[in-house]
Amino acid sequence: KAGVTQTPRYLIKTRGQQVTLSCSPISGHRSVSWYQQTPGQGLQFLFEYFSETQRNKGNFPGRFSGRQFSNSRSEMNVSTLELGDSALYLCASSHGTATYNEQFFGPGTRLTVL
Amino acid sequence: SQKIEQNSEALNIQEGKTATLTCNYTNYSPAYLQWYRQDPGRGPVFLLLIRENEKEKRKERLKVTFDTTLKQSLFHITASQPADSATYLCAPISIPSGAGSYQLTFGKGTKLSVIP
Repeated sequence: KAGVTQTPRYLIKTRGQQVTLSCSPISGHRSVSWYQQTPGQGLQFLFEYFSETQRNKGNFPGRFSGRQFSNSRSEMNVSTLELGDSALYLCASSHGTATYNEQFFGPGTRLTVL
Repeated sequence: SQKIEQNSEALNIQEGKTATLTCNYTNYSPAYLQWYRQDPGRGPVFLLLIRENEKEKRKERLKVTFDTTLKQSLFHITASQPADSATYLCAPISIPSGAGSYQLTFGKGTKLSVIP
């Protein structure tokens, strides 16, 4: 089975721009979660989608949004980029049928905001 | 507010010794706790899940304990090898009330270096 894939792997943007990141989960997984990882804050939960519906949301501003398509692929959008948005963005998929399901992480997208 | 602390940012041990990593949590009543391994430039990889009614779980050279009274989980790697060098993350999981889902909240991790 192919693992979780994320595109692009690296991205450089400037302040004020917007960005869209993509995540393809493992086949058969219906839950996709997004995380932001920085050296100072560690791994922080952004949101989770299950069957095209946002099921849970972390404490991030409204500039961070996401969606999930019928094939479970997910996108994350960040509008009006700030320098502090520079981070590794990880998505993870799981079966999503139980609260403690193992999460399978992708390699991440490294976003640099200049 | 909920807080997760992993004992130290970095831990160096000699090859062959047992590495012990600590995960403490406050303002939490997790029903489960997961441990992940993360290598530089890669996403975390799931290692073990332990339930609140399990005191101990083993997988090959790995052992995890879960003490809900102390609000602590210990992660042990026996006979450590240089290939075990990585950052290890713990993630306590609380069952949400109502129909809500759960979210994984991770500690900041402990970077383990196993010295040959």
